[in-house]
Amino acid sequence: SQQGEEDPQALSIQEGENATMNCSYKTSINNLQWYRQNSGRGLVHLILIRSNEREKHSGRLRVTLDTSKKSSSLLITASRAADTASYFCATDMNTGFQKLVFGTGTRLLVSP
Amino acid sequence: DVKVTQSSRYLVKRTGEKVFLECVQDMDHENMFWYRQDPGLGLRLIYFSYDVKMKEKGDIPEGYSVSREKKERFSLILESASTNQTSMYLCASTLAMLGAGSAIYNEQFFGPGTRLTVL
Repeated sequence: SQQGEEDPQALSIQEGENATMNCSYKTSINNLQWYRQNSGRGLVHLILIRSNEREKHSGRLRVTLDTSKKSSSLLITASRAADTASYFCATDMNTGFQKLVFGTGTRLLVSP
Repeated sequence: DVKVTQSSRYLVKRTGEKVFLECVQDMDHENMFWYRQDPGLGLRLIYFSYDVKMKEKGDIPEGYSVSREKKERFSLILESASTNQTSMYLCASTLAMLGAGSAIYNEQFFGPGTRLTVL
C-alpha cells in the first residue's frame, strides 16, 4: 500500500488564491519531499524537509511537517495558472539506497 | 545542468514482444530507479540499482528485469510484454550522499517518461 496519501485528490482554484495540499504517511521517516509533475512529463523536485524540521520555505512554497501526526502540508501562495500540475509527496523511510515511496498525488488546476 | 534522458517518449508494442526502455543520466549518480505510473496508483517502484551490475527488486518487479552495465545507463526490460504493462514509465537517479549525522539527502531527478502501449 502507498506510504503517502495526498488530500485532496483534486483541487481547483482561481489565480491569486492559495492552494494547500496535505500528505499523510504511516511509518517513521528520514525526510519527506514534494514533487511536481506537469501533464505527461517527469517529476520535478520542489522541496525536502527533514524529520527534525517543522517548516520550510522556498519562494511561494511553504511546507510543514508534523511527525507526531505523520502528516505534511504544501502551501502554494498567490497561485498562478502555471502552477497547474499534479503534486506528489514522497517519503524516505531510511530503508537504504535513497528509496522513496510516493503518494497518489493531488491534481491542482489554477484558472486565470 | 542535471539531465536524465529516456530513449522514447511514446512506444507501441505488441503482446509478447521483448521491450527495452533505456535511461541515461549525466550526473555520475550511483542510484537509479525505474517506476511505473498508473492513474490512481501514483508511482510504484519496479527496480532500482545502487551501483554498476547491482540491482534490487522494488515493489512490483514481476514481468520486468533490468540491466546496469555502465554507471550512467539503466535499462528496463519487459521480457514478454503484456497489455497490463501499458503504463507511463519513469526513470530517476540520485546521488548516494550523506549529510550531517545520519541524514541522507536524496532528491531524485526524473526523466521525461516513456508512455508505453502494449496492444
